[in-house]
Amino acid sequence: EVLLVESGGGLVQPGRSLRLSCAASGFTFDDYAMHWVRQDPGKGLEWVSGIGGDSGNIGYADSVKGRFTISRDNAKNSLYLQMHSLRAEDTALYYCARAVAGTWIPRAFDIWGQGTTVTVSS
Amino acid sequence: QSALTQPASVSGSPGQSITISCTGTSSDVGGYNFVSWYQQHPGKAPKLMIYDVSKRPSGVSNRFSGSKSGNTASLTISGLQAEDEADYYCSSYASSSTLGVFGGGTKLTVL
Repeated sequence: EVLLVESGGGLVQPGRSLRLSCAASGFTFDDYAMHWVRQDPGKGLEWVSGIGGDSGNIGYADSVKGRFTISRDNAKNSLYLQMHSLRAEDTALYYCARAVAGTWIPRAFDIWGQGTTVTVSS
Repeated sequence: QSALTQPASVSGSPGQSITISCTGTSSDVGGYNFVSWYQQHPGKAPKLMIYDVSKRPSGVSNRFSGSKSGNTASLTISGLQAEDEADYYCSSYASSSTLGVFGGGTKLTVL
């Protein structure tokens, strides 16, 4: 079974840091680009960041550029999102998502995890 | 405000067809055939229903179809069923510095 499981979310004060992880199983991890997508409570989806299968291509949304860093460890079948200088507006459910085969860009996401919640509040 | 514009809600009766629109610009929807559609039930993760404008992933019912004209993409659901009631989001690759954009979502109610 193809599975993505996120972890690392929690309550954090503004300005602090947090690291999210996503454990993948059931497919050849390094064959696929991976992305982070977040969702405000009760609101819409927002693409956050993506990384190619060999980490050679990386992109970020303007809203997180310079504060968030995406990375992956193919030996551990894991995806990460290091978040610094967190703001209240970063509060969301963060999904790990697999890109459809063929390109690293956010073309479409065919497998999603269940998400991990990040709450930024004092 | 979302980059792509969708109607907030649509509704239809069982057996009918509905269409949800998704309007962007020539820098996203109009410029690339990388439009995708997602279904999201309450408390669940999004599910890919359509990608590359009109392709259906394996396992998705052929009642779901996608198309595009200019800067507007559309998702059509035919033969509406109760289980189709959900939120639907469109997405597109974009040539802006933010590479991926979503619509604000459309709540589908099956009457």
